[in-house]
Amino acid sequence: ILNVEQSPQSLHVQEGDSTNFTCSFPSSNFYALHWYRWETAKSPEALFVMTLNGDEKKKGRISATLNTKEGYSYLYIKGSQPEDSATYLCALDNYGQNFVFGPGTRLSVLP
Amino acid sequence: NAGVTQTPKFQVLKTGQSMTLQCAQDMNHNSMYWYRQDPGMGLRLIYYSASEGTTDKGEVPNGYNVSRLNKREFSLRLESAAPSQTSVYFCASTNDRSQETQYFGPGTRLLVL
Repeated sequence: ILNVEQSPQSLHVQEGDSTNFTCSFPSSNFYALHWYRWETAKSPEALFVMTLNGDEKKKGRISATLNTKEGYSYLYIKGSQPEDSATYLCALDNYGQNFVFGPGTRLSVLP
Repeated sequence: NAGVTQTPKFQVLKTGQSMTLQCAQDMNHNSMYWYRQDPGMGLRLIYYSASEGTTDKGEVPNGYNVSRLNKREFSLRLESAAPSQTSVYFCASTNDRSQETQYFGPGTRLLVL
């Protein structure tokens, strides 16, 4: 079973701060890495899908990078807002195997 | 276009009772998935179906069965519920297993007493 780790487990930042968190995995042999944003009492919503080493994706104030050689992906949020408060999940789509989620990073942005 | 729908939204069962969680998608997706979400553990894959007529075990299949009734519907059955199956269950679908995002349903909260 592929193990996907995320750090930190939770994070509190002030409105306006920029922040980042990490998804790490032991192998570069996978189809794609996915980032999801999950608000309390809602369903996970897709942010990014990345496949290639060096991939960088951006959506508004949120961006992500992928380093398959060293086995990590970073998610960055610039100028955090209270509405960014959510759990951020990463998931690995492994060749012919399971779609494996990390435990998530819970972000709280304080006004 | 409703996306992914799940029924019921909430359910309370007694130990040993059975029930079926229903999931349907209207996006003509090939692949469908059932996950459970427990505190501190993220989402864990129970079963998935890569196409109509096929199903495969995920990480935590014990105590569950699934049926891919047609392309739209993928049901999850608990034959004899146990308290350890208290969880939030999410159904998801995607057009292809690789490189495409999964779309999630609203979840079903299940409490087994």
